[in-house]
Amino acid sequence: DTAVSQTPKYLVTQMGNDKSIKCEQNLGHDTMYWYKQDSKKFLKIMFSYNNKELIINETVPNRFSPKSPDKAHLNLHINSLELGDSAVYFCASSQFPGWPDRQPQHFGDGTRLSIL
Amino acid sequence: GQQVMQIPQYQHVQEGEDFTTYCNSSTTLSNIQWYKQRPGGHPVFLIQLVKSGEVKKQKRLTFQFGEAKKNSSLHITATQTTDVGTYFCAGPNDYKLSFGAGTTVTVRA
Repeated sequence: DTAVSQTPKYLVTQMGNDKSIKCEQNLGHDTMYWYKQDSKKFLKIMFSYNNKELIINETVPNRFSPKSPDKAHLNLHINSLELGDSAVYFCASSQFPGWPDRQPQHFGDGTRLSIL
Repeated sequence: GQQVMQIPQYQHVQEGEDFTTYCNSSTTLSNIQWYKQRPGGHPVFLIQLVKSGEVKKQKRLTFQFGEAKKNSSLHITATQTTDVGTYFCAGPNDYKLSFGAGTTVTVRA
């Protein structure tokens, strides 16, 4: 099936640990994103890549490092996890050309990160 | 930066009734998008509005873009339990989408 898939779906870990979330899309899209959704459901963009190139880097602690090995994959590595990192992290993709903010975004199922 | 404000935050609706959620921006928007997120799910794109005064319908959902392109609304008629979820509007902001806070809809059967 064509989709945006991310793994793992759930991530429960201790404070201070390092973890990674993986995302893959087979929609043929050029642009991929990481969003963070907090407990109040507020969705905020963290990063965006277009064809492996970083184009959006919001004010995010440098403990968060994205990596795009190719345009179909965008991974997120988080160092030294803190309690405040608990949230749902969504990967998304959209087509290019055109402004990324004018293209419908296709979201993955999300990774629910809980920090103990 | 530009933000979209969405009201109400919560909407409790009797099954069969209609309701509307509103999205407002302080600046003119080139377009506005609407998404729906079911409980425990992910945001799903519903529609994009581009033209001033544009009205689009999807079955019981009616989306409207204001004449000044600063506001938008989503009206749902004859609410059903399948309408439960959070509805987000999203507007462009410096190459990225800025999402409203969402309207979370619950339905009383």
